[in-house]
Amino acid sequence: EAQVTQNPRYLITVTGKKLTVTCSQNMNHEYMSWYRQDPGLGLRQIYYSMNVEVTDKGDVPEGYKVSRKEKRNFPLILESPSPNQTSLYFCASSHRWGKGGNQPQHFGDGTRLSIL
Amino acid sequence: GQQLNQSPQSMFIQEGEDVSMNCTSSSIFNTWLWYKQDPGEGPVLLIALYKAGELTSNGRLTAQFGITRKDSFLNISASIPSDVGIYFCAGHGNKLVFGAGTILRVKS
Repeated sequence: EAQVTQNPRYLITVTGKKLTVTCSQNMNHEYMSWYRQDPGLGLRQIYYSMNVEVTDKGDVPEGYKVSRKEKRNFPLILESPSPNQTSLYFCASSHRWGKGGNQPQHFGDGTRLSIL
Repeated sequence: GQQLNQSPQSMFIQEGEDVSMNCTSSSIFNTWLWYKQDPGEGPVLLIALYKAGELTSNGRLTAQFGITRKDSFLNISASIPSDVGIYFCAGHGNKLVFGAGTILRVKS
């Protein structure tokens, strides 16, 4: 089954304790991205990756890191989490169109992070 | 930067009624997408629009890509209880931008 898998689904942790949220897709998609969802703000892009070893900042990258060492995986790293990073996080992936731009993205089921 | 204004923010309607929501922007988009998010899940693509003026249906859902390329609407006909959820529009210009969402609640 084609899917985007995020882990963990839920995490409660404390300020400053490094954490990683993993994302894996089995559709051989070139493009992967991370979003955070906050009430009234919709989905805001944190980081994205056009392909292996190619990553770039989205709209709200501060406090986050990513890596794309393999095509299927795109982990989101919070080196020193703070309470304002409490949010619902989504990973998404898609194929790229031949002339540039991306096909509609497939989303994972989300990771709810609470930073105390 | 590019921004989308999605309205209404929320709706509470009677089962069987038709529903309409829209997104507008001051920017031009090349693609409009409509997603639905059920509780505890990620957004799922409902309809993708690639051409100005395009009108596309998916079952009881119909969406249109505005002729100016700055807006799009989604209609749901004869709503049922399982239509509840959050509906997001997204526009793709030089990047993908999401609206804030429309929360749909249906009274049975």
